[in-house]
Amino acid sequence: DAGVIQSPRHEVTEMGQEVTLRCKPISGHNSLFWYRQTMMRGLELLIYFNNNVPIDDSGMPEDRFSAKMPNASFSTLKIQPSEPRDSAVYFCASRVPGGGVGDTQYFGPGTRLTVL
Amino acid sequence: RKEVEQDPGPFNVPEGATVAFNCTYSNSASQSFFWYRQDCRKEPKLLMSVYSSGNEDGRFTAQLNRASQYISLLIRDSKLSDSATYLCVVNQIYFGSGTKLNVKP
Repeated sequence: DAGVIQSPRHEVTEMGQEVTLRCKPISGHNSLFWYRQTMMRGLELLIYFNNNVPIDDSGMPEDRFSAKMPNASFSTLKIQPSEPRDSAVYFCASRVPGGGVGDTQYFGPGTRLTVL
Repeated sequence: RKEVEQDPGPFNVPEGATVAFNCTYSNSASQSFFWYRQDCRKEPKLLMSVYSSGNEDGRFTAQLNRASQYISLLIRDSKLSDSATYLCVVNQIYFGSGTKLNVKP
């Protein structure tokens, strides 16, 4: 199994530009999570989906952030317009089907975003 | 108040030492608990689940104390390769900020 796939692995952009991060979960997993990690705030949940439906987006910082999951094998996280404080590592994770709170998540390698 | 709190460390220990980390959580109704390991510039990876009865995996022992609302991780006979950041996770989605461990030769 290829694991969770994220692209791009690194992104450097200028303030005000649109940024789109992509994630392909492990095949057959039906829950998908987006996290952001910074030195100051640690690992924070932004949003998660069950069966392609957003369940909890309370962690999304503000209206500049949006996430979609058009099908079971693809999700995007978009930032428009980007700001320097958005610089972080963004992780996507997926979980086994039917998993309750006792089932583990598998993380992708992350996208390191730098906004100048 | 944060959902999950950890001492950031770093814990600097010699090879062969025993080291323990604690993690406290705020929601008494929490149901699941994990320890993840994260190497520098890598993604978090599951180390072990934490069960009410406690569980052991080789040199690693995890325990849950519901009354005091904390989980612990004990590492015996530390190896250089144990150097990493250890994250506790509650209810799948609430991560502690991590405790950094440096094992020195």
